[in-house]
Amino acid sequence: QLVESGGQLVQSGRSLRLSCAASGFNFDDYAMNWVRQTPGKGLEWVSGITWNSVARGYADSVKGRFIISRDNAKSTLYLQMNSLRVEDTAVYYCAKGLAEYMDVWGKGTTVTVSS
Amino acid sequence: QSALTQPASVSGSPGQSITISCTVTRREVGTYNFVSWYLQHPGKAPKLVLFEDSKRPSGISNRFSGSKSGNTASLTISGLQPEDEADYYCCSYAGGDNFLYVFGTGTKVTVL
Repeated sequence: QLVESGGQLVQSGRSLRLSCAASGFNFDDYAMNWVRQTPGKGLEWVSGITWNSVARGYADSVKGRFIISRDNAKSTLYLQMNSLRVEDTAVYYCAKGLAEYMDVWGKGTTVTVSS
Repeated sequence: QSALTQPASVSGSPGQSITISCTVTRREVGTYNFVSWYLQHPGKAPKLVLFEDSKRPSGISNRFSGSKSGNTASLTISGLQPEDEADYYCCSYAGGDNFLYVFGTGTKVTVL
């Protein structure tokens, strides 16, 4: 099970940190990802991190502004979002990575960025 | 980054079969290795329905099948049922040295 938290209304230019608490599986065995969905639009992969934090990836739209991290001792994934823009408004999902796909998804947390 | 293009909408009557395509418009799907598919009901989280092009996770109906040829992957739903009405997304992992996933543009499936 994955439970996201931290989403809220925030002004453009500010920062926000999302969390994703994992349970029911060995968190430190798997890569993890953040995927977002803008209202009425499709899915966009935002960022991912390997089980040991050695490799991290970012979509071009967030590169240099967002930082993904994880705490395996706490079974928690994070997304530090800086310099937020109106276009970052979305529902943010965390998803467990398995090989080349994502097999477990959280219910999402909503981030709204106002101008 | 590459783009995965899907038809905006596909519809069918109960009992019919429909196929959703997923075409790589800038790079070959083959170089991305496997494609996965997700369905999403309104207001709900995405759910994995196919992985590694054609494999079904536990609990997914065998009415869902997948294939890939050249630059195009396909999801077929046979024996269409009302609960199949949802948005469907393909996804490919463009990994290697780059930790990167790409989602398709999404297809709205309507059961008439």
